Amino acid sequence: DAGVTQSPTHLIKTRGQQVTLRCSPKSGHDTVSWYQQALGQGPQFIFQYYEEEERQRGNFPDRFSGHQFPNYSSELNVNALLLGDSALYLCASSLGGPGSDQPQHFGDGTRLSIL
Amino acid sequence: QKEVEQDPGPLSVPEGAIVSLNCTYSNSAFQYFMWYRQYSRKGPELLMYTYSSGNKEDGRFTAQVDKSSKYISLFIRDSQPSDSATYLCAMSRRGSTLGRLYFGRGTQLTVWP
Repeated sequence: DAGVTQSPTHLIKTRGQQVTLRCSPKSGHDTVSWYQQALGQGPQFIFQYYEEEERQRGNFPDRFSGHQFPNYSSELNVNALLLGDSALYLCASSLGGPGSDQPQHFGDGTRLSIL
Repeated sequence: QKEVEQDPGPLSVPEGAIVSLNCTYSNSAFQYFMWYRQYSRKGPELLMYTYSSGNKEDGRFTAQVDKSSKYISLFIRDSQPSDSATYLCAMSRRGSTLGRLYFGRGTQLTVWP
């Protein structure tokens, strides 16, 4: 039973560039959430996708956008990269949408470094 | 004030010790409480998941929730070197915003042989 998979594992970009991160949810899950984890901090919620729509959003600027595909996989896009965007980006999947009480399971993340 | 407070440690204990990890929170709307374990260069792994107040036990792990004090705990009995990791508490509100998790900053635990 495959868990949550994310790609790429590591990524190095320069300021001003754009990046796309990818996530495949755990088998049977239909909801994907994205989190940003800075070094030494807990994950911060970016947004959640369910039924191919953004359902909730945290306190992140519009430079952060996403997409969910019919097979439930998801992408996180970040435009106009800033040094402060350097972090571990985590994808979590769950079942049942934003009102579900099912727990979220995380992938191992994409480590993004901005030079 | 952050919504979830967690002492970052580091916490260092000998093998076999009982470990107590704690978080406090300010938002009384939180109803679901979780503990995740995160090894270096890995994603968070769900350890315990509880609803509302009370205790839940799973093997060497016990989670406690005291909603009246806005305080949650994770106890690890007979700790092992393999328990060395960062432990994250997380919580969420009920209803349509249930999917958004609020995390503490994590407590770094080292269990030495």
